[in-house]
Amino acid sequence: DAGVIQSPRHEVTEMGQEVTLRCKPISGHNSLFWYRQTMMRGLELLIYFNNNVPIDDSGMPEDRFSAKMPNASFSTLKIQPSEPRDSAVYFCASSLRGQGKGYTFGSGTRLTVV
Amino acid sequence: AQTVTQSQPEMSVQEAETVTLSCTYDTSESDYYLFWYKQPPSRQMILVIRQEAYKQQNATENRFSVNFQKAAKSFSLKISDSQLGDAAMYFCAYRRGNQFYFGTGTSLTVIP
Repeated sequence: DAGVIQSPRHEVTEMGQEVTLRCKPISGHNSLFWYRQTMMRGLELLIYFNNNVPIDDSGMPEDRFSAKMPNASFSTLKIQPSEPRDSAVYFCASSLRGQGKGYTFGSGTRLTVV
Repeated sequence: AQTVTQSQPEMSVQEAETVTLSCTYDTSESDYYLFWYKQPPSRQMILVIRQEAYKQQNATENRFSVNFQKAAKSFSLKISDSQLGDAAMYFCAYRRGNQFYFGTGTSLTVIP
């Protein structure tokens, strides 16, 4: 099992550019989560999907952020246009639906917007 | 609202000694799960241990064990025989359904 795969691992972009982060969950996992981690705010849940359907996107900070999950094996988080305050580590995590299951996290994408 | 509190931003332990990281949480539910995650400098989030709230027995995973006090809403992590590789950020987390809450983390330093 390759685990949760995120790409890219690092992304440096200029303010105003579009950024797309990618995630491949563990095969068979039916819940997928996007988190943002910063020193100031810790881990923040942005959005989660169950069976490819967005369930709760209340954590998405602004309309500049959007997430999709076109199928069970792929999800994207897009920021357009990007701003310096979006700089953070973005994690994708997946799990089997059910309370007892912990998340399996990807390695994260460190985004720097200059 | 459920919240998770880790009151120790930083902790240190001598190699081979034992250290306990504290976590408290707030919930009105009786059925939930608790977790400890480790985040080393590589930034990978690694599940260390989990506890079902309906179980009275404390979970144990090798050198890692928890002290789960349901009435007190306390969930501490004990690391025995600390190793240099245990140095990391540790996050306590609460889950009920798809509501998953993380604490702010405790940075653990292991002194050789």
